[in-house]
Amino acid sequence: GAVVSQHPSRVICKSGTSVKIECRSLDFQATTMFWYRQFPKKSLMLMATSNEGSKATYEQGVEKDKFLINHASLTLSTLTVTSAHPEDSSFYICSASGGQGEDEQYFGPGTRLTVT
Amino acid sequence: GNSVTQMEGPVTLSEEAFLTINCTYTATGYPSLFWYVQYPGEGLQLLLKATKADDKGSNKGFEATYRKETTSFHLEKGSVQVSDSAVYFCALMGAAGNKLTFGGGTRVLVKP
Repeated sequence: GAVVSQHPSRVICKSGTSVKIECRSLDFQATTMFWYRQFPKKSLMLMATSNEGSKATYEQGVEKDKFLINHASLTLSTLTVTSAHPEDSSFYICSASGGQGEDEQYFGPGTRLTVT
Repeated sequence: GNSVTQMEGPVTLSEEAFLTINCTYTATGYPSLFWYVQYPGEGLQLLLKATKADDKGSNKGFEATYRKETTSFHLEKGSVQVSDSAVYFCALMGAAGNKLTFGGGTRVLVKP
């Protein structure tokens, strides 16, 4: 099946700094990528949807200036958490779909962010 | 808005036991329904799906039937293995778009 990777798998950063998480589709072209946040023992919550070459669409309550999403190519999307705070500590997961009406999303393994 | 409710875990079973994970949903229109599985240290993988009422999705011995009358999509497996230990997520995709709405996940632990 289709493979999606995320890098890094774990990151620790200091409060006030920014951190970038990469999501790559390794063997298909992802016209749409999704970013989710998962709290401990909680469900995945969609943060934003991005289409290659256009601005991301953010879900209600997600600060677009804090969570910057770039989808510059059909195989790469990045999520940058700017001016991180401890409450941003979470598990961030991306998924990708190949477009053309295909509804299946392929998920990355996730990135554990800890802000100290 | 759309929502998915699934039973809380953890669910602990012995090998070869019968597994049921309940899932109910609220949605407008006719959503597609999914079960995803997340093995330790890995990303979510699609386990099975159903796109219309009375459809049955099946894979790896797991089954789930789209029941519109009860707005449910319960996951079942007749004889679990230790390798089925994972977290299972029920999800729906609304008819209007491509966004997934997830349930809270159910951790299943199968003991030898």
